[in-house]
Amino acid sequence: EAGVVQSPRYKIIEKKQPVAFWCNPISGHNTLYWYLQNLGQGPELLIRYENEEAVDDSQLPKDRFSAERLKGVDSTLKIQPAELGDSAVYLCASSPTRGGSGELFFGEGSRLTVL
Amino acid sequence: AQSVTQLDSHVSVSEGTPVLLRCNYSSSYSPSLFWYVQHPNKGLQLLLKYTSAATLVKGINGFEAEFKKSETSFHLTKPSAHMSDAAEYFCVVSEANYGQNFVFGPGTRLSVLP
Repeated sequence: EAGVVQSPRYKIIEKKQPVAFWCNPISGHNTLYWYLQNLGQGPELLIRYENEEAVDDSQLPKDRFSAERLKGVDSTLKIQPAELGDSAVYLCASSPTRGGSGELFFGEGSRLTVL
Repeated sequence: AQSVTQLDSHVSVSEGTPVLLRCNYSSSYSPSLFWYVQHPNKGLQLLLKYTSAATLVKGINGFEAEFKKSETSFHLTKPSAHMSDAAEYFCVVSEANYGQNFVFGPGTRLSVLP
């Protein structure tokens, strides 16, 4: 069974440019998460989807960040325009359960460097 | 609200000696607790989880953790460290009452010396 797939693995852009990250969760996993991980810190939730519905986007900086999960399968996270402080690893995870006791399955992450 | 404290940002042990990584949590209700490991440039992998069954939980690669409600702790241990255990370890709390949000601790970097 394929795991969570993210692309690109690495992205270098100049500030004010747009960038997009893609995530394909494990087949059958209805819950999808985007996390932000700064260097030396734990992941922080950006947005959580149940199928195609964003059920928690309270930590997503909506002035520059957007996300979508059309058809409730793969998802895209976009930043426009990027700022220097956005340099981080963007992690996608999926889970088969709704109750909070299930396991998160992570992709390898997309590392963004903003120059 | 949920929160996680990992008391040590960095732990260094010699190969073959015991490992102890400490975690304390804050939770209003009955939490689920997890330990994840992250090797350099790799995705996070589940080591073990506690979900209100046995308080002593065994995970992969010889790791185990004990849930102590009275101390609000979920410390991770391993009897004998191996060089391949060197990585970043994250303690995670989740509550059904907070939807399915998983809150991560800041992480503990484990170094294993030869």
